[in-house]
Amino acid sequence: DAGVIQSPRHEVTEMGQEVTLRCKPISGHDYLFWYRQTMMRGLELLIYFNNNVPIDDSGMPEDRFSAKMPNASFSTLKIQPSEPRDSAVYFCASSSGRQGTGELFFGEGSRLTVL
Amino acid sequence: AQSVAQPEDQVNVAEGNPLTVKCTYSVSGNPYLFWYVQYPNRGLQFLLKYITGDNLVKGSYGFEAEFNKSQTSFHLKKPSALVSDSALYFCAVRDWGGATNKLIFGTGTLLAVQP
Repeated sequence: DAGVIQSPRHEVTEMGQEVTLRCKPISGHDYLFWYRQTMMRGLELLIYFNNNVPIDDSGMPEDRFSAKMPNASFSTLKIQPSEPRDSAVYFCASSSGRQGTGELFFGEGSRLTVL
Repeated sequence: AQSVAQPEDQVNVAEGNPLTVKCTYSVSGNPYLFWYVQYPNRGLQFLLKYITGDNLVKGSYGFEAEFNKSQTSFHLKKPSALVSDSALYFCAVRDWGGATNKLIFGTGTLLAVQP
């Protein structure tokens, strides 16, 4: 398996623009997580899905952030409008609730810079 | 609520010396504990886990971790450090509460191995 695939790896945009980050989880995994990593706040869980259904979105900073999972092999995290304080590395991770013991498999991340 | 603490922001060790990265946990029930490593500009990679059984767990790259129930600790160790071990290390605990199935991560410890 190719692992968790994220795109784009790097995104530079201007304040006010819409940003869409994409994630393809490992095939067969039924959990998908979106994390944000910054120097100041460390690793933060934004939202996670089980069988394509959002379970906990309490970590989503505000209404400008939204996430969807239309099918088992694809998820998006959207920021509209973007602000400089959204600059961070965004990670997607997946895991299997049916097999294994909960370890997560992370993608390489999407580094977002909002000017 | 489940939590983990990594008391050291940074650990410095000379190459060839043993290393320890500390982690303590707080859980209700049996802990599922994990260690992850993050190299620069990469996603988090799974190193090892403790679920049950032997208190000494062996993982990738020669790392091991010792589960100590009485001290509620799960320290990461390696007998002989390599410069290539320099990275950011995260301890995590699985949150079993209710319908949740997520990992709670510590703040991370930067390991610097000097040649």
